[in-house]
Amino acid sequence: AQSVTQLDSQVPVFEEAPVELRCNYSSSVSVYLFWYVQYPNQGLQLLLKYLSGSTLVESINGFEAEFNKSQTSFHLRKPSVHISDTAEYFCAVSEDSSYKLIFGSGTRLLVRP
Amino acid sequence: GAGVSQSPSNKVTEKGKDVELRCDPISGHTALYWYRQSLGQGLEFLIYFQGNSAPDKSGLPSDRFSAERTGGSVSTLTIQRTQQEDSAVYLCASSKLAGGTTMGSTDTQYFGPGTRLTVL
Repeated sequence: AQSVTQLDSQVPVFEEAPVELRCNYSSSVSVYLFWYVQYPNQGLQLLLKYLSGSTLVESINGFEAEFNKSQTSFHLRKPSVHISDTAEYFCAVSEDSSYKLIFGSGTRLLVRP
Repeated sequence: GAGVSQSPSNKVTEKGKDVELRCDPISGHTALYWYRQSLGQGLEFLIYFQGNSAPDKSGLPSDRFSAERTGGSVSTLTIQRTQQEDSAVYLCASSKLAGGTTMGSTDTQYFGPGTRLTVL
């Protein structure tokens, strides 16, 4: 069965510092991988996704994630965070030909001035 | 161009009462999903509707939970005889298509703001 692990429940970081939010998954078949972000008092928004092709995917606001099949990981990174990046970040996976998203437990990114 | 909307935004009810949660998907989206976000359980898939096909109810936690989608648009999630463990944020999402090889290319799921249910 699929599962997604986000080991860090909270990641505090200072503004302009780099950050990495970790995500590992387990699946026996091909998967699609997603990062969703939930800003305070808002709904989930898609940040970026890996479907196929290049293993490095980027978002419009400077985040990137790299699909590593051998390590079954899809870590999210940003070289320099802003206060406005404070939010909860969810990693999710869906298996090929499936529609259900299986979510990790979420990582709360707290950016401090 | 409105996104997914849900109502009410907050619902407080007493144990044993029935509740109905509503979801209005993005116009033109044929797929609709319900998820639940609760402490200790994270985000869980509940149910999925696609067009006129039979819904996938495999994620519903008990027979107290049911959902319907009228006219291929608005959906209602009903919880009967609510229990305290039903307290959670119920999220609805919609997408243009779902399933199969089209999933990866077009099926971003767009989420609503959720309904926070508190069962006293």
